Amino acid sequence: NAGVMQNPRHLVRRRGQEARLRCSPMKGHSHVYWYRQLPEEGLKFMVYLQKENIIDESGMPKERFSAEFPKEGPSILRIQQVVRGDSAAYFCASSPNEVSHGYTFGSGTRLTVV
Amino acid sequence: AQSVTQLDSHVSVSEGTPVLLRCNYSSSYSPSLFWYVQHPNKGLQLLLKYTSAATLVKGINGFEAEFKKSETSFHLTKPSAHMSDAAEYFCVVSEGGATNKLIFGTGTLLAVQP
Repeated sequence: NAGVMQNPRHLVRRRGQEARLRCSPMKGHSHVYWYRQLPEEGLKFMVYLQKENIIDESGMPKERFSAEFPKEGPSILRIQQVVRGDSAAYFCASSPNEVSHGYTFGSGTRLTVV
Repeated sequence: AQSVTQLDSHVSVSEGTPVLLRCNYSSSYSPSLFWYVQHPNKGLQLLLKYTSAATLVKGINGFEAEFKKSETSFHLTKPSAHMSDAAEYFCVVSEGGATNKLIFGTGTLLAVQP
C-alpha cells in the first residue's frame, strides 16, 4: 500500500501561471480532502471531495482555485493565475469514508510563486 | 463550532527529560481529538487519536495524551524526550457532521537539546 501520493513534491511557478497539484488517495479510499499550510501557520481546510463530487468547498478561495476528483485518476487542485500569496504547502488526505477518524495525509506539494 | 488552542508556540526540553505539549479544545459535543507530528519538510503523521473510548490514549513513539473533559484539555506527554522528537506538533479536532473535516491548532515547535 503506497499511501497517499502527492506530486510534484515541489513546484515553482511565476506569477500569472497555472499550478496543478495531484493527489492519488490510498487504495480503497474514495474521500479526499485538501488542506493548505501557509508559512508559520497550521493547516486550513480547503475542500472535501468524493468521486466526481465536491461535497464541501467552504475553505476554497472564491476565485482562481478549483478542485476535482474524477471517476478515474487522481484528485487535482488547480490554481489559476498564481500570486505570491499562494506560496504554501498543500496537503492531501484520504479516508475510506466520511466518518473515518484520522485520515492518512500525503507528504504535500510545496508551491513557490516567484 | 469546534476549535483547538495550543498554548505554547515553542517548547524546548533537554534530551531524556519529560515532554508536555498543551492543548485546549472547544466543542459543543464529545469531540474526536488527534495529535499529528510534522518533521521539517515532511508530511503529517498521526501520533494518536481520542474517539470517546479510554481517556488515556497511547500513541506511537512513546507519546500519550489524556482527555480531560472537566478541563477541556488534551495535552500530549512523553516521559523522556529523544533528539528525533524535534518537530512541529499539531493538536486537531474533528468537526464531525457530514464532512468530518479537521480543525488544526497553530502548532507547537518542539526543540530537543542534547
